[in-house]
Amino acid sequence: AQSVTQPDIHITVSEGASLELRCNYSYGATPYLFWYVQSPGQGLQLLLKYFSGDTLVQGIKGFEAEFKRSQSSFNLRKPSVHWSDAAEYFCAVGAEEYGNKLVFGAGTILRVKS
Amino acid sequence: GAGVSQSPRYKVAKRGQDVALRCDPISGHVSLFWYQQALGQGPEFLTYFQNEAQLDKSGLPSDRFFAERPEGSVSTLKIQRTQQEDSAVYLCASSLEVPRAGHEQYFGPGTRLTVT
Repeated sequence: AQSVTQPDIHITVSEGASLELRCNYSYGATPYLFWYVQSPGQGLQLLLKYFSGDTLVQGIKGFEAEFKRSQSSFNLRKPSVHWSDAAEYFCAVGAEEYGNKLVFGAGTILRVKS
Repeated sequence: GAGVSQSPRYKVAKRGQDVALRCDPISGHVSLFWYQQALGQGPEFLTYFQNEAQLDKSGLPSDRFFAERPEGSVSTLKIQRTQQEDSAVYLCASSLEVPRAGHEQYFGPGTRLTVT
């Protein structure tokens, strides 16, 4: 069965510090990978996505993620966090073999301290 | 342009009541998805439409849940005889083309359902 693990429920970083949010997946097929961000009361906004090709993908708001097939990981990074980045972040996985549904991780809540 | 909209944004229902949640996808989007997000968890897939055809309803938790998209645009998720465990945020998403899994899904703000 497909599953996505985000090991960190909460992360707190200082404004200006670097950030890495972890995502590991278990999939029986070549996955497509996504990172979404959700602010309170808001829907999910796509930060970036990986389909194929270059394993380092750039997204909006200065985020990037690297797909590592050997580690089944797709970690999200940002070199310098801003207070406005405080939100909940979800990693999601899909695959053609499993239809069109996305499987989400449980999310990581990011707190930014000034 | 307009994104995915959902109504109502908040719904309080007494246990046993029926509720109907509406989703207006982005105009022209062929595919529409419903997800359920319980408190403190990630969204979980409920069902998927391609135009008016419901192609996957494997995630619907019980036969009390029913979804329709009769004209291939607006969709309604109906929950009959609501139970407390139905309390969650219900998210709707749409996608431009007949999707492969790599196509981006655009999410609405969700409907927060509280069953008392």
